[in-house]
Amino acid sequence: EPEVTQTPSHQVTQMGQEVILRCVPISNHLYFYWYRQILGQKVEFLVSFYNNEISEKSEIFDDQFSVERPDGSNFTLKIRSTKLEDSAMYFCASSYAASTNEKLFFGSGTQLSVL
Amino acid sequence: GNSVTQMEGPVTLSEEAFLTINCTYTATGYPSLFWYVQYPGEGLQLLLKATKADDKGSNKGFEATYRKETTSFHLEKGSVQVSDSAVYFCALIHSGNTPLVFGKGTRLSVIA
Repeated sequence: EPEVTQTPSHQVTQMGQEVILRCVPISNHLYFYWYRQILGQKVEFLVSFYNNEISEKSEIFDDQFSVERPDGSNFTLKIRSTKLEDSAMYFCASSYAASTNEKLFFGSGTQLSVL
Repeated sequence: GNSVTQMEGPVTLSEEAFLTINCTYTATGYPSLFWYVQYPGEGLQLLLKATKADDKGSNKGFEATYRKETTSFHLEKGSVQVSDSAVYFCALIHSGNTPLVFGKGTRLSVIA
């Protein structure tokens, strides 16, 4: 089965530094997502992306966050100036369509630790 | 708003034991309901889904029935195996273009 690939699997950074989390979605998928899970809490939606623009974002996705699909294969999440509370597992996902019957394919996640 | 509540883990069972992981939801209307599973080192994978009341989703011996009257979607398996050890996430989508809403996840460990 095709896979969504995320790199790196672990990222450690200092508070205030910029980080870029990378994802390679499944090649014919059109919808892309980022979710995160802070330890012990729910998996939370951050942002969805379609047709080279953000289609929806949550309250968490403030000006410190941005997403980009720079080259038609990668889908990146940038955190401009990391805070301690950004420490979480970040999941990328993709799907071919946006309907309720379409399943999302998730990557294995990037564990971000902000020190 | 829409939300999902699932039982706290971790859950530890012996092989061949019966499994129930409770999930209840809060949503207006008729959301679609899902169970996702995350095996160690892998991404979340769709395990099963149900899109309307009284539907039963099933896969790999797991089942869950969409109960509108109790707003529940409990996951069950009659006889668990060591290979079922994973984290299980209950989730819902309220309408076609809205994002998945997840629960916290329940870690299951099955011992031989």
